[in-house]
Amino acid sequence: GAVVSQHPSRVICKSGTSVKIECRSLDFQATTMFWYRQFPKQSLMLMATSNEGSKATYEQGVEKDKFLINHASLTLSTLTVTSAHPEDSSFYICSAAAEEEQFFGPGTRLTVL
Amino acid sequence: GNSVTQMEGPVTLSEEAFLTINCTYTATGYPSLFWYVQYPGEGLQLLLKATKADDKGSNKGFEATYRKETTSFHLEKGSVQVSDSAVYFCARPNAGGTSYGKLTFGQGTILTVHP
Repeated sequence: GAVVSQHPSRVICKSGTSVKIECRSLDFQATTMFWYRQFPKQSLMLMATSNEGSKATYEQGVEKDKFLINHASLTLSTLTVTSAHPEDSSFYICSAAAEEEQFFGPGTRLTVL
Repeated sequence: GNSVTQMEGPVTLSEEAFLTINCTYTATGYPSLFWYVQYPGEGLQLLLKATKADDKGSNKGFEATYRKETTSFHLEKGSVQVSDSAVYFCARPNAGGTSYGKLTFGQGTILTVHP
């Protein structure tokens, strides 16, 4: 099946810094990628839909100036958490759409001190 | 609307026990239905899917039948293993019948299997 990678898998940063998370589709092209956030023992919360060559579509309540999404190519989308704070600590998961399925990355654990 | 309701967990079983995790969905058309599995510290993997009524999805000993009469897609396995310990999510597309649109997930069910 199709493979999606995320980098880094784990990041610890200081409050106020920015963190970039990359999501890559390794063996297929994805015009649409999705970014999710998952709190411990909870379901996935869709944050935004990332479309190649156009602006991302954010879900209600998600601050687009805080969570910057760039989908520069058909195989890469990035999520930048700007001026991170401890409440941004979470597990961030991306997925890439291909035909009738979504393929998920392994997730990135962000801890903001 | 688009909603998915899953049986609340956590579920704790002994190895070789029978597993059922209930899932029901709101009947907006006849969407494709999915079960995803998330192993500890990892992203989600598609476990199985069904694209139309009465379809049975199956994989790794797991099965789920798309039942439009009861708007359900319950996950079953006849004999669980310790390696099946994970979180299981039922999901449906928000719009249309294909999954490359947005997905709505159930709340997830934590399964722990003891030797």
